[in-house]
Amino acid sequence: DIQMTQSPSSLSASVGDRVTIACRASQSISTYLNWFQQKPGKAPNLLIYAASSLQSGVPSRFSGSGSGTDFTLTISSLQPEDFATYYCQQSHNIPYTFGQGTKLEI
Amino acid sequence: QVQLQESGPGLVKPSQTLSLTCNVSGASIGSDAYYWSWIRHHPGKALEWIGYIYYTGSAYYNPSLKSRVTISLDTSNNQFSLKVTSVTAADTAVYYCARVGYSKIDYWGQGTLVTVSS
Repeated sequence: DIQMTQSPSSLSASVGDRVTIACRASQSISTYLNWFQQKPGKAPNLLIYAASSLQSGVPSRFSGSGSGTDFTLTISSLQPEDFATYYCQQSHNIPYTFGQGTKLEI
Repeated sequence: QVQLQESGPGLVKPSQTLSLTCNVSGASIGSDAYYWSWIRHHPGKALEWIGYIYYTGSAYYNPSLKSRVTISLDTSNNQFSLKVTSVTAADTAVYYCARVGYSKIDYWGQGTLVTVSS
């Protein structure tokens, strides 16, 4: 299985901050990398697919980059509703695998 | 608007079979553009992909669960189902059904908590 490792596991930030979350794959996955946001008691919500494509309806302050094994999710200016847990996920190989999550706190 | 909704027992006894159904609206599970997936989330752990099924009935499973899992389609009711046999406490999790298209998981159900306990 491809292992996905996120860093940091938790992050404290303030409204208006620029935040970056990293995700590393244990082998090359090209750009088969997706990012999700999850709030307590809710299903994950797709933010970014194919490493850098913004899912419809997602604010433009979210962006993704990377290819191969190293990827980043950037939130350009944190809003109060962005405090949540973020997961990366690879869809290059079966089984699909997820990172362990990054909890973004105020 | 695509919507998915899980249903099934919230409590299952050890060694029994966990059975869940996902009702899909706003999309046809007979479409050749999508796979229909089950994913689970153990409290405090990473999300775990269980498997998915294509409209042809071909299913692909996580090797860690393959011997105990079956995913099936019910095209007449636009539903798909999950069965996990011989459950233990380690199968306690929130179970999600989801749609996979073009390598992205774009729609999820709200999730249902299944507890394995006697």
